[in-house]
Amino acid sequence: SQTIHQWPATLVQPVGSPLSLECTVEGTSNPNLYWYRQAAGRGLQLLFYSVGIGQISSEVPQNLSASRPQDRQFILSSKKLLLSDSGFYLCAWTDRTGIFTFGSGTRLTVV
Amino acid sequence: GEDVEQSLFLSVREGDSSVINCTYTDSSSTYLYWYKQEPGAGLQLLTYIFSNMDMKQDQRLTVLLNKKDKHLSLRIADTQTGDSAIYFCAEGSKGGGNKLTFGTGTQLKVEL
Repeated sequence: SQTIHQWPATLVQPVGSPLSLECTVEGTSNPNLYWYRQAAGRGLQLLFYSVGIGQISSEVPQNLSASRPQDRQFILSSKKLLLSDSGFYLCAWTDRTGIFTFGSGTRLTVV
Repeated sequence: GEDVEQSLFLSVREGDSSVINCTYTDSSSTYLYWYKQEPGAGLQLLTYIFSNMDMKQDQRLTVLLNKKDKHLSLRIADTQTGDSAIYFCAEGSKGGGNKLTFGTGTQLKVEL
């Protein structure tokens, strides 16, 4: 069966420090991968998506970047975190069925 | 662009039915989803419906889709305190990598 792993679950980082969040998917090949952010409150905003290795599409201009070094690995990064980068980050994947499955999320607090 | 709207809050008594409503704008939507988010947790897929369906029932959950009005609803029968959470409506389209657009979420509070 397919599973999605996201880590760490919680992260507290100082302003100006780097960031690396990792997401891996098991049990499928060539998935579409996504990073969403949920800011304080409700809204879920699509940050990046990838349809294949090395292919990254950015939805909104921001202080973050994404990379897909392997088929089932999706990494969210920043060179220098801002206070406004705080939020709940969710990784998701989908295959040919189009059904989205989400990871358990990483709560990032920038202090 | 795509837009998905939901009311922010809903309060019901335990044992009653809950109906959470959602409207969307993208007529090319392929799937429409309902996700549940409990405090501090990720998103749990509750159910989904293909855009060519009108209704889907899964145990206590009933999804109704009115394509003409672009209106989606989630009915939870016999609502329990464990159903208290935020419910997100989302629509998926196949353009550019199967993107998913979320509503703002409806906070469901179940009172005794």
